[in-house]
Amino acid sequence: GAGVSQSPRYKVAKRGQDVALRCDPISGHVSLFWYQQALGQGPEFLTYFQNEAQLDKSGLPSDRFFAERPEGSVSTLKIQRTQQEDSAVYLCASSSSSGDTGELFFGEGSRLTVL
Amino acid sequence: GNSVTQMEGPVTLSEEAFLTINCTYTATGYPSLFWYVQYPGEGLQLLLKATKADDKGSNKGFEATYRKETTSFHLEKGSVQVSDSAVYFCALKDASGAGSYQLTFGKGTKLSVIP
Repeated sequence: GAGVSQSPRYKVAKRGQDVALRCDPISGHVSLFWYQQALGQGPEFLTYFQNEAQLDKSGLPSDRFFAERPEGSVSTLKIQRTQQEDSAVYLCASSSSSGDTGELFFGEGSRLTVL
Repeated sequence: GNSVTQMEGPVTLSEEAFLTINCTYTATGYPSLFWYVQYPGEGLQLLLKATKADDKGSNKGFEATYRKETTSFHLEKGSVQVSDSAVYFCALKDASGAGSYQLTFGKGTKLSVIP
């Protein structure tokens, strides 16, 4: 597709369930980012991939969060044993450069609600 | 650490009114500055940027000037339209070093323009 595609758009999980969120970046984009956006807040950085290499995961809030991009294209953000504080919109973004220009293309996000 | 503070919303204006959304920042070094916009039902998209002091970014009638002396990057538009209704995010990126690809966002300002 022409833009960054994320699925599912909406996910409701019971506390303790595992969830997986998918991101399909713009074809050929080297850099891929995950951000978390809580209600009424700006996006906060989670992790960064350059091709298949995860160069920075300093923003992941706990070891329950895991991200991968095994073939350097599609990425999955996995959250294990979800908690209510994980409720947020998870944004994926990609860039054609090495990621240092700040010019990112964002998907519409996956809204996670943990009950 | 880095931080971005932008004016609280929501902001409601009549069509053709003048718009200012204030943004100030705290950063080590000399960051690049951005305005991103999120239209209803869409992902964030880059509106404009400036990479050094006194640079002016402009796009779609919007402007913002990088003011190092006041650590500000206020967004302005001379005559808003209904189609400008959206949430606007100010953001910064460190110039170099560890984490230089991370964007730090403000909380966002929701703009509604009424006919």
